[in-house]
Amino acid sequence: AQSVTQPDIHITVSEGASLELRCNYSYGATPYLFWYVQSPGQGLQLLLKYFSGDTLVQGIKGFEAEFKRSQSSFNLRKPSVHWSDAAEYFCAAGWSNTGKLIFGQGTTLQVKP
Amino acid sequence: DGGITQSPKYLFRKEGQNVTLSCEQNLNHDAMYWYRQDPGQGLRLIYYSQIVNDFQKGDIAEGYSVSREKKESFPLTVTSAQKNPTAFYLCASSIDGTSGNTIYFGEGSWLTVV
Repeated sequence: AQSVTQPDIHITVSEGASLELRCNYSYGATPYLFWYVQSPGQGLQLLLKYFSGDTLVQGIKGFEAEFKRSQSSFNLRKPSVHWSDAAEYFCAAGWSNTGKLIFGQGTTLQVKP
Repeated sequence: DGGITQSPKYLFRKEGQNVTLSCEQNLNHDAMYWYRQDPGQGLRLIYYSQIVNDFQKGDIAEGYSVSREKKESFPLTVTSAQKNPTAFYLCASSIDGTSGNTIYFGEGSWLTVV
């Protein structure tokens, strides 16, 4: 069955430190991949997406993600975290044979001053 | 401004009552979705519609119903059959229902059973 896993439920980093949020997907075919961010009590905002081509994808707010087919991963990175990055982050994948988007469980990011 | 509007933001329901959450979009998108969000469980798909007058069950459709009479509107009814309806509900839309398209979200509605 198709699934998306975010292994880290909660991550705390210091402001200015680098960040990496992990995302893995199951199922053999390469999906379309997305990262969304959600502030408390709000909807989700798209950070970036990968369809094909260059495996390093640039997004908004200084985020980037790298697709690694061999590891079935699509990890989100930021070189220097700001306090305003504290939020919940969701990885999602869509396979062309289903037409649906499957979300991971989410990772809550806390930023220490 | 183009976007997805959900109302109400907060809703309280008594046991045994049906309630309807509104979702309107002016993005001219064909596909619309309803997700339920519970802490630690991510987003789960309730229903989706790829075109007017057509919709499909998602992963957790039991106790919910929808209609799609207009392209811009996709209301969700939480019926009394839904055993545990307290959650955050998100409406979303995309240009069409193919999996490569970006899904855009509304601001969500909180439903609490009292």
